[in-house]
Amino acid sequence: GAVVSQHPSWVICKSGTSVKIECRSLDFQATTMFWYRQFPKQSLMLMATSNEGSKATYEQGVEKDKFLINHASLTLSTLTVTSAHPEDSSFYICSVAGAESEQYFGPGTRLTVT
Amino acid sequence: DAKTTQPNSMESNEEEPVHLPCNHSTISGTDYIHWYRQLPSQGPEYVIHGLTSNVNNRMASLAIAEDRKSSTLILHRATLRDAAVYYCLSGTYKYIFGTGTRLKVLA
Repeated sequence: GAVVSQHPSWVICKSGTSVKIECRSLDFQATTMFWYRQFPKQSLMLMATSNEGSKATYEQGVEKDKFLINHASLTLSTLTVTSAHPEDSSFYICSVAGAESEQYFGPGTRLTVT
Repeated sequence: DAKTTQPNSMESNEEEPVHLPCNHSTISGTDYIHWYRQLPSQGPEYVIHGLTSNVNNRMASLAIAEDRKSSTLILHRATLRDAAVYYCLSGTYKYIFGTGTRLKVLA
């Protein structure tokens, strides 16, 4: 399966600032990537589907102007949380789509907004 | 994508086999069945996936019912490192994660 990395693994930022999270597919050309977030003791929730070279598709209830996704290459997708607030504190996880609809997940990024 | 149903929790003794069930009664004919597991503060780890036939890999086996409305993930010899939340999913990419099955392995 694909090896996926995320950077940073954890980040603390002040309310009102923006934070960028990188997701890299190290050994697989990722046409499609996904972004999830997971609140404590809850399951993963899909935020958006990111396709290389095109605009991301956001799930209902996810603000596209707040969570900016860029997928400019087959190995990199980025999620930028703009004007972060404490309620955006969460565990953000990306994944890469495989050929048979399986997904390979990154290790996650813990965001804390103070 | 199809919704799946799993027991909230299961327990197993170390070095014994574990059978984790999943119901996916609304699965469509072309949907794969996927299993992942997640440890605390980590991203989910791919375990196994299949379409119709049973599948084996170094981590586990996947037994798929003939009507594909259910499947069972089999860990042949549970170890303490297998303690995790196991998620069963079906569909094409847009996963709907349920609460999964929390597996506790007793030493």
